[in-house]
Amino acid sequence: DVVMTQSPLSLPVTLGQPASISCRSSQSLVYSDGNTYLNWFQQRPGQSPRRLIYKVSNRDSGVPDRFSGSGSGTDFTLRISRVEAEDVGVYYCMQATHWPPWTFGQGTKVEIK
Amino acid sequence: QVQLVESGGGVVQPGRSLRLSCAASGFSFSSYGIHWVRQAPGKGLEWVTVITHDGSKKYYADSVKGRFTISRDNSKNTLYLQMNSLRAEDTAVYYCWGSSSESPFDIWGQGTMVTVSS
Repeated sequence: DVVMTQSPLSLPVTLGQPASISCRSSQSLVYSDGNTYLNWFQQRPGQSPRRLIYKVSNRDSGVPDRFSGSGSGTDFTLRISRVEAEDVGVYYCMQATHWPPWTFGQGTKVEIK
Repeated sequence: QVQLVESGGGVVQPGRSLRLSCAASGFSFSSYGIHWVRQAPGKGLEWVTVITHDGSKKYYADSVKGRFTISRDNSKNTLYLQMNSLRAEDTAVYYCWGSSSESPFDIWGQGTMVTVSS
């Protein structure tokens, strides 16, 4: 199984400042079709998760453009350009290249300083 | 309104069974593979199982293989999860989740809590 490792696990941020979360996979996430199926999810307190980013860098509908994803191979990053209060929650990376199983990272808790 | 609504959760004794349902509306249910993902109290997300759009293929996490069965009825726009031989470690909120890997389509249910306890 592919192991997804996120860092940091806790991220205190100042409103209006940027934030960055790293995700590493135990093997390359490049699929045989040339695509890389790496997703990012946000889970606000008391809510269901929602996907923010698919295929490394594609934003889902309704996701603010302050969220961006980048990376390749085994190293990926989610960036928030200017953190807002509504961004508080836990963020997960998930690989959908080598399945089953689909595997999530441990989660990164973003909180306001 | 595009939505998934789970039901069927509750408190059950170890070794017993439970069936969860996930009702879809507002989108073409029969076009998408649908997953079950669970989250134990205070823990992260764990993928459980998935079924293809037409029900022809099913995949399971090792932790539930042989005990859980996923199915769907596209005529009723409903997904099911039959959970047998339940264990304490199956205690979690269970979410149904549909998405496309190739386009900006992603939908989660509100979750249903399953508690396995004597």
